[in-house]
Amino acid sequence: HVQLVESGGGVVQPGGSLRLSCAASGFTFSNHGMHWVRQAPGKGLEWVGLIRFDGTIEKYADSVRGRFSISRDNSKNTLLLQMITLTAEDTAVYYCAMEDVGRLDSWGPGTLVTVSS
Amino acid sequence: QSALTQPASVSGSPGQSITISCAGTSSDIGTVYNYISWYQQHPGTAPKLLIYGVYKRPSGVSTRFAGSRSGNTASLTISGLQAEDEADYYCYSYTTTSTYVFGTGTKVTVL
Repeated sequence: HVQLVESGGGVVQPGGSLRLSCAASGFTFSNHGMHWVRQAPGKGLEWVGLIRFDGTIEKYADSVRGRFSISRDNSKNTLLLQMITLTAEDTAVYYCAMEDVGRLDSWGPGTLVTVSS
Repeated sequence: QSALTQPASVSGSPGQSITISCAGTSSDIGTVYNYISWYQQHPGTAPKLLIYGVYKRPSGVSTRFAGSRSGNTASLTISGLQAEDEADYYCYSYTTTSTYVFGTGTKVTVL
């Protein structure tokens, strides 16, 4: 069955950088677009961005464009989220999710990123 | 990329039906695309796909959940409300800028 597992979360100082990973298994990773979604403590879901199945197209939310970068390694079934210039507003649980025709079919359990001095 | 508008909370008694609205614009909910989905999230867990393609249910999702759309507003109806339906619900839509947007979220309480 589909399994997505995020890693790389932790505490980072304001202005710092962090890279999150998402290990995928149980499906043909290279056939699916992948998304990142985040959820600040006690808040709703926020779409962060996506990468096309072949890695040729990326799209981002206005709130992270220019600071976050999504990439993927289809040979390793891995999705990445590089985050720079982090602020307290980026504190959230970050989820990776598998897309299937405009919907998020499967989600990982999430990894917590805390931006604090 | 403004969030879609949902009521903050909706409540109902067991067995009743409730409807959650999701108001958007002609650039998201109201587009010709049918990429509208709904997610259920229980506390401390990842969201779960409930409805996709406006009204379709993934296998394993109860027929008590139904999706619809009228103009720029999508709706999720839960019939025969059960205690296990108490959760947060989010709508989600593709947009004309090839991005996606979530709704503000609705907390469902079973009285």
